[in-house]
Amino acid sequence: DADVTQTPRNRITKTGKRIMLECSQTKGHDRMYWYRQDPGLGLRLIYYSFDVKDINKGEISDGYSVSRQAQAKFSLSLESAIPNQTALYFCATSDPARGSNYGYTFGSGTRLTVV
Amino acid sequence: GESVGLHLPTLSVQEGDNSIINCAYSNSASDYFIWYKQESGKGPQFIIDIRSNMDKRQGQRVTVLLNKTVKHLSLQIAATQPGDSAVYFCAENLDSGTYKYIFGTGTRLKVLA
Repeated sequence: DADVTQTPRNRITKTGKRIMLECSQTKGHDRMYWYRQDPGLGLRLIYYSFDVKDINKGEISDGYSVSRQAQAKFSLSLESAIPNQTALYFCATSDPARGSNYGYTFGSGTRLTVV
Repeated sequence: GESVGLHLPTLSVQEGDNSIINCAYSNSASDYFIWYKQESGKGPQFIIDIRSNMDKRQGQRVTVLLNKTVKHLSLQIAATQPGDSAVYFCAENLDSGTYKYIFGTGTRLKVLA
């Protein structure tokens, strides 16, 4: 099983619909992140969480919300999807106290298309 | 790893040759850097990191060079193999306390047989 699992892998939804992307991890990391990736742009941070009770906005949080249901689960919601939210979404985890580096472990991504 | 509109710069390398992928970072105060590899349909994968107090770090077949004077990173891959074909991008750490990063847009490496 993957260390960081994202569901669904692909999703097509209509404008105005609410959609949730889910992420679960087995690494035991405290820190979790949601990023989006668009062609020609680097990964951009949407939200991050350092603990179950900790939620922080990233650089592009408008139109998104998150929930940290447990240490292992971090979900991203689009309350009312719009076409410019079409992108590849990645969940990531990190825990520098445990590892020898400060990098992220990424999931395989969710490709979201809003029509 | 610099962006050129919507099209990723592409580096084509013959199998067995060495590859050099470059990245210009933005913040002179950044103190930690990572190179990631992203294969098609997969999430980014950590390759190697370097701290700002170092100029060079070597891993297995990979070397990262850091030039703080011109804010430049490079990733060298020795004896490039078909499995190295992917998009490579750098990340700079802006805030050690939060481990927030700026990610580059990436360079596509194509390995020619």
